[in-house]
Amino acid sequence: TQLLEQSPQFLSIQEGENLTVYCNSSSVFSSLQWYRQEPGEGPVLLVTVVTGGEVKKLKRLTFQFGDARKDSSLHITAAQPGDTGLYLCAGRRNNNNDMRFGAGTRLTVKP
Amino acid sequence: DTAVSQTPKYLVTQMGNDKSIKCEQNLGHDTMYWYKQDSKKFLKIMFSYNNKELIINETVPNRFSPKSPDKAHLNLHINSLELGDSAVYFCASSLGLSVWSPLHFGNGTRLTVT
Repeated sequence: TQLLEQSPQFLSIQEGENLTVYCNSSSVFSSLQWYRQEPGEGPVLLVTVVTGGEVKKLKRLTFQFGDARKDSSLHITAAQPGDTGLYLCAGRRNNNNDMRFGAGTRLTVKP
Repeated sequence: DTAVSQTPKYLVTQMGNDKSIKCEQNLGHDTMYWYKQDSKKFLKIMFSYNNKELIINETVPNRFSPKSPDKAHLNLHINSLELGDSAVYFCASSLGLSVWSPLHFGNGTRLTVT
């Protein structure tokens, strides 16, 4: 059983559609981060959320941290082919020594 | 300049061999990590070092031995390689252990054991 459950695992949509990716856990995290990974490369940070209920916007991407700091969501508005990639959530716990990743959501945006 | 660099990028070897993967970061970070990414893209933490001290050692077979000669380097040595060790191994670093500290990843080492 993974500490962080991401859903959906795979998502294929048309350009212009909206989508939401979820990251859920029964554990409380001191912070939660979202990363994006391209083929052949390491994950790259998109955002960090720390406060329960926090909402952060990054252009067409909106990130939310749950009130209890156990879950998070990533919403993309008007998806573009350039958004295609693997989206990973990661949570810090145990005095921040430990960074655990979800299994990822593979997003494909078709032109 | 590459921030976190791993070598080699590809490693193909036979079962039973011993191999090493090197990692160096020039970001001045004091915490370094090794993650294993399997074929389903799940990133699993293996080890974490803070100021050359081991702080996380997940349930990894003792055939895997990390070594941190200084804060800028964290190498991974694997003995008696098995088929199941085939994966992409990522090195990462972060500045301290703040809630804000992002992980900076290398581009991975694809290990194939035949």
